[in-house]
Formats: sequence, structure tokens, C-alpha cells
Amino acid sequence: DADVTQTPRNRITKTGKRIMLECSQTKGHDRMYWYRQDPGLGLRLIYYSFDVKDINKGEISDGYSVSRQAQAKFSLSLESAIPNQTALYFCATSESGQGGTQYFGPGTRLLVL
Amino acid sequence: GENVEQHPSTLSVQEGDSAVIKCTYSDSASNYFPWYKQELGKGPQLIIDIRSNVGEKKDQRIAVTLNKTAKHFSLHITETQPEDSAVYFCAANMNTGFQKLVFGTGTRLLVSP
Repeated sequence: DADVTQTPRNRITKTGKRIMLECSQTKGHDRMYWYRQDPGLGLRLIYYSFDVKDINKGEISDGYSVSRQAQAKFSLSLESAIPNQTALYFCATSESGQGGTQYFGPGTRLLVL
Repeated sequence: GENVEQHPSTLSVQEGDSAVIKCTYSDSASNYFPWYKQELGKGPQLIIDIRSNVGEKKDQRIAVTLNKTAKHFSLHITETQPEDSAVYFCAANMNTGFQKLVFGTGTRLLVSP
């Protein structure tokens, strides 16, 4: 079984709709992250969480919110989806401490019409 | 903040040739430099990393070199095989208590038989 899972894997929604992307991990890591991937732009950090009580904005958090329901679960919400949020979204986890390897989920492909 | 530049954006080689991907970073305090491989439809996977206290690291056909003075690091793949075809991302951490990675924009490597 995969250590980091994301649901759904693909999603099509309409402008203005609220959607939630979910991430679960079985690695026992404290730190979790949400990234967005766009062609030619690499991976950009949306939000990150040290632990259940600690959530921080990344470089592109506008239009997004997150919830850390448990150590193993980290959800990303688009409150009112817009077409330029069409992208590939990745969840990742890592151990505490500097220079810890980040482990990525398989991604969610989101299309906002 | 940290900025990571990656070149080339695409690289085509013949099977058996070597491939080199280069990255530069801006924050001299960065001390951790991972490389990720992303295959089609999958999340990025760590293939090799290097920390600032070493200048080179090898793992079978792949190697990474780091020049702290010039603030650049490179991925070297020898004896390339078709299964090496993928998108490769470099990253550098921000040397804070939190392990935040800044990613390059990716290199699409195509290995032709």
C-alpha cells in the first residue's frame, strides 16, 4: 500500500464551487505539505503543517485553506474555485528536523471550468 | 528568500550517453539539496540528495556535485537508459528550523533507444 495517498485522483469542477482534496499518510511523519504544480513552474508550496496544531502559509496560499484533522490527515480546500486553479496538486510528508526527505503522494489533477 | 534556477528545461540524449542537469541557488545558508524524479502520472520521488558538508555523492549511475562557493549543484546520469526518461527537479532548502524546499522548474529528460 502507498505511504501517501490522495483523493480524488482526478476532479472536474465549475467556477465558484467549493472542493476539498484529501491526503493521508501512514509514514508517521509530523510534517505535511500541499504543493501545486504547473507546467514550467515546478512545485510551489501552498500550505505546510509542523503538526496538528501548527499550520502555516506557503508562497501561494491565496484562495486556499487547509485542515490538519490528525497527524495522518491533511486536507486542502478551494473555497470558491476559479479556472486559474486548474493544476496538479501534490501532498507530501517529512520527518521533523532539517533536511528531511519529503515523500510525495500520487497527485490530484484538478480542472476548473 | 531562496530562488532555484534549473537548466536545461528539456534534454534529449541517446541511450548510453550521459546527461547533466544543472541548478543554481541564491541563499548561501541553504544546506540540503535533493533531486526528484517524476514519471508520468506519478508524484516526485527522491533519487539522490546532498548536504553542504560534502562535494559529491554517487549512487550507481547517478551522482550529484555541489559547489558551495558558486552556489550551484548538478545531477549526472551515466549510461542512460530509456527508463531514465522523466522530469527531474532539483530543490534547495531554506536554512530555517523548518524544512521548506524551493524547487527548480524541472528538466524533461528523453532517452532515445
